[in-house]
Amino acid sequence: DIQMTQSPHSLSASLGETVSIECLASEGISNYLAWYQQKPGKSPQLLIYYASSLQDGVPSRFSGSGSGTQYSLKISNMQPEDEGVYYCQQGYKYPYTFGAGTKLELK
Amino acid sequence: QVRLKESGPRLVQPSQTLSVTCTVSGFSVTSYHVSWVRQPPGKGLEWVGAIWKGGSTDYNSALKSRLSISRDTSKNQVFLKMNSLQTDDTGTYYCAKHYNNYYFDYWGQGVMVTVSS
Repeated sequence: DIQMTQSPHSLSASLGETVSIECLASEGISNYLAWYQQKPGKSPQLLIYYASSLQDGVPSRFSGSGSGTQYSLKISNMQPEDEGVYYCQQGYKYPYTFGAGTKLELK
Repeated sequence: QVRLKESGPRLVQPSQTLSVTCTVSGFSVTSYHVSWVRQPPGKGLEWVGAIWKGGSTDYNSALKSRLSISRDTSKNQVFLKMNSLQTDDTGTYYCAKHYNNYYFDYWGQGVMVTVSS
C-alpha cells in the first residue's frame, strides 16, 4: 500500500497568516492527490484534486501544488472557518490511502 | 441535489456482522462510483472499498476477507456488509460519491458503529 505521510501533525495560525501542510507519498502518485477538510462532527469536504485543481465552491485562498511524491496545501489569509483537520488522499493505486491528518487551529 | 445517507445499527456485538445501507439521491449509482470510508473515533480516514458504476467492486486488501459491497439499482442504494467484527472496527462509516474516479466529492453524514458486548 502507498503510505501518505503528513506534516506537521498540528499547527496554529493567526488571522490572515499563510500556512502550508505537506504530504509525502511512499512512491510516485502522478498528481493523483486530493486534500480534504474535516470539521468536528462533520464529514470531510473535498478542497483540491489532481494536486492543484480547486473544487467548485472552495475559496481561492486554498491552493495545492507538488509532483512525484511531494505535495503541499497552502492556505492564504487564514480565516476562523479554516479551523479543522486536513487530510491528503492518493487516488493512484488501490487501496486509496489517506494521510494521518493535520489539525489546524486559529491562534 | 446530491445526498447520501447511511443507515444501520449503532451497536454490534463482537464476531457479528455489520450491515450498513447508503441511500443516495441526486445521482444514480449506475452513473457514479460509490466508496465506503471509515474513521475510528479521534483517528484518521481509511478507505474500505468501492462499487464501480458498472457494478464491479474493489476492497481494501486488509479487510477483503470480511467485506462485501453490493447495490440495488432500483432503489439507488449501496450496501456494506462486514463480518467477524472486532472492537477495532468501531468507528464512523461513511459512503461517498466519487469525483473523477479517484476522489470523493459528496459524503454522507456517517453512521457511528460501536462494536461491544
